[in-house]
Amino acid sequence: DIQLTQSPSFLSASVGDRLTITCRASQYISSYLAWYQHKPGKAPKLLIYSASTLQSGVPSRFSGSGSGTEFTLTISSLQPEDFATYYCQQLNRYSPTFGGGTKVEIK
Amino acid sequence: EVQLVESGGGLVRPGGSRRLSCATSGFTLSEHYMDWVRQAPGKGLEWVGRIRNKANDDITEYAASVKGRFTISRDDSRNSVYLQMNSLKSEDTAVYYCARSGYCSSGSCFEGLDYWGQGTLVTVSS
Repeated sequence: DIQLTQSPSFLSASVGDRLTITCRASQYISSYLAWYQHKPGKAPKLLIYSASTLQSGVPSRFSGSGSGTEFTLTISSLQPEDFATYYCQQLNRYSPTFGGGTKVEIK
Repeated sequence: EVQLVESGGGLVRPGGSRRLSCATSGFTLSEHYMDWVRQAPGKGLEWVGRIRNKANDDITEYAASVKGRFTISRDDSRNSVYLQMNSLKSEDTAVYYCARSGYCSSGSCFEGLDYWGQGTLVTVSS
């Protein structure tokens, strides 16, 4: 199986901060990567797919980049509603695994 | 409006079985691959398995941790997807989500899981 390593696993930040989360794949996955936001008690929400395509309705402060084995999710200006846990997922044909998650908390 | 609603969670004894259902609406289920994802208490998201659409022979795929114990099925006429869980272990305790895959072709899905249900909690304990 392809392993995804997210860093950092925990992030303390303030409203207005620029945030970058990294996701590294153990094998080449081209651009087959998605990012999700998950809040407690809620359904996860798709933010980005194909590494950099913004899902419809997602604010433009979210962006994704990368290909191959290294990917990033950037939030350009953190808003109060963005405090959540973020996961990457590789969209490989078999066993589309998730990264371990990055929890973003208020500083 | 696309909606997915899971049901069937509850307390199960180790070694027992449970069947989860995912009722869908607002889209044509037969066109989509459907996934199950779980989250154990205090842990991250874990992909459980997937069922392809009828055009792709309803082929199923599973995570190694559940292969041979869990079975995914679908009934497009009832707009529903199911997760049959057998030989349950304490480590299967989790909130189980069903989710719709975006565009897929010939077994590969390219657009992530674009709609999710709210989840149903399964607790495996004696």
